[in-house]
Amino acid sequence: DAGITQSPRHKVTETGTPVTLRCHQTENHRYMYWYRQDPGHGLRLIHYSYGVKDTDKGEVSDGYSVSRSKTEDFLLTLESATSSQTSVYFCAIRDLGDEAFFGQGTRLTVV
Amino acid sequence: QQQVKQSPQSLIVQKGGISIINCAYENTAFDYFPWYQQFPGKGPALLIAIRPDVSEKKEGRFTISFNKSAKQFSLHIMDSQPGDSATYFCAASKDTGNQFYFGTGTSLTVIP
Repeated sequence: DAGITQSPRHKVTETGTPVTLRCHQTENHRYMYWYRQDPGHGLRLIHYSYGVKDTDKGEVSDGYSVSRSKTEDFLLTLESATSSQTSVYFCAIRDLGDEAFFGQGTRLTVV
Repeated sequence: QQQVKQSPQSLIVQKGGISIINCAYENTAFDYFPWYQQFPGKGPALLIAIRPDVSEKKEGRFTISFNKSAKQFSLHIMDSQPGDSATYFCAASKDTGNQFYFGTGTSLTVIP
């Protein structure tokens, strides 16, 4: 398995609270991505990073922010969690021209 | 706006049959078209991928057919097996890696 770890694996949080999900890689890949997976919607790109401190928005970025201060870490923050953000979140890493490797996912429930 | 459109949403095939999943894209800048397989509770994993300079790629029982002019590509699973039961996602990206978009997924069930 590619060296990619997501934490936490499961989280239950209350509406309105901030939440941070972490993606850590040991592969030194340039590109990192955050997706959310929901039934009927597949995998939707939230944000991605193409280098340290270089990030950009994906299809469904509203309500989310990201940071990448080191090559190996890509953080996804929900500033004020809402029930619509209940989902399974996947981190992926990739180098130029290569396949994307996915983490095991984080199941987030906002109550 | 869905960058990659995938169909069908679900598919049931008899063991030994052929499974066919279709995808379409709009952005002609995409130059890498992978298919991912996902089992419950796991992250997606690369199954097979193609670039637009070829019209077909085969790896074992899995084949990608690519039609550049129609902006469509499809996955064919020959001699489908119960172990192939999973969710399949098509995807498209630019080789620069900045954007990597997935279809909505197809849940495949292979009946013994």
